[in-house]
Amino acid sequence: QQPVQSPQAVILREGEDAVINCSSSKALYSVHWYRQKHGEAPVFLMILLKGGEQKGHDKISASFNEKKQQSSLYLTASQLSYSGTYFCGTEYNFNKFYFGSGTKLNVKP
Amino acid sequence: GAGVSQSPSNKVTEKGKDVELRCDPISGHTALYWYRQSLGQGLEFLIYFQGNSAPDKSGLPSDRFSAERTGGSVSTLTIQRTQQEDSAVYLCASSRPPLNNSPLHFGNGTRLTVT
Repeated sequence: QQPVQSPQAVILREGEDAVINCSSSKALYSVHWYRQKHGEAPVFLMILLKGGEQKGHDKISASFNEKKQQSSLYLTASQLSYSGTYFCGTEYNFNKFYFGSGTKLNVKP
Repeated sequence: GAGVSQSPSNKVTEKGKDVELRCDPISGHTALYWYRQSLGQGLEFLIYFQGNSAPDKSGLPSDRFSAERTGGSVSTLTIQRTQQEDSAVYLCASSRPPLNNSPLHFGNGTRLTVT
């Protein structure tokens, strides 16, 4: 039931861009994005609600296509601090919140 | 205010022993979640509480796992007769529903090692 993320891993140089995708076979009410650094708890980035909605957070933004049941996270001009594992999460049946398998992002100098 | 607090932060136990993991959510957060994260893996959903009620326990991996929540606040996750495959980080998160406009706030987790 969990959402599907792609790619599984990305290696970037500082300043490069990346896109992480999250899709679901079931209807989505909302999509959350979190980042987890090694040895730490996941930290909230943003929530998206409506179809086609786009949100931004510094140089990190995301879109949510409700019709396609997909969300994408865009990281532009990546910084070393962006390294970590990114998870999308979504709520099914109003009482279960599932995360995707994660995308490991490694930004190198 | 204080964040989500989990204890202990680390637990080493022998195979076959029981363990209890505790989660103290953010005050006022009625929703509470438990997840399990094995080394280098994703977040496996275990159970969800709304208040003291857990309407669906099907995410718990086996009948050795149980969870309860009292007073709409503190939750404990109990693992009986621990096995080596139970070794993982157990994360608790709380939220103020509805989830379409409220993030999950995570604790720092309990790292369980079963020897």
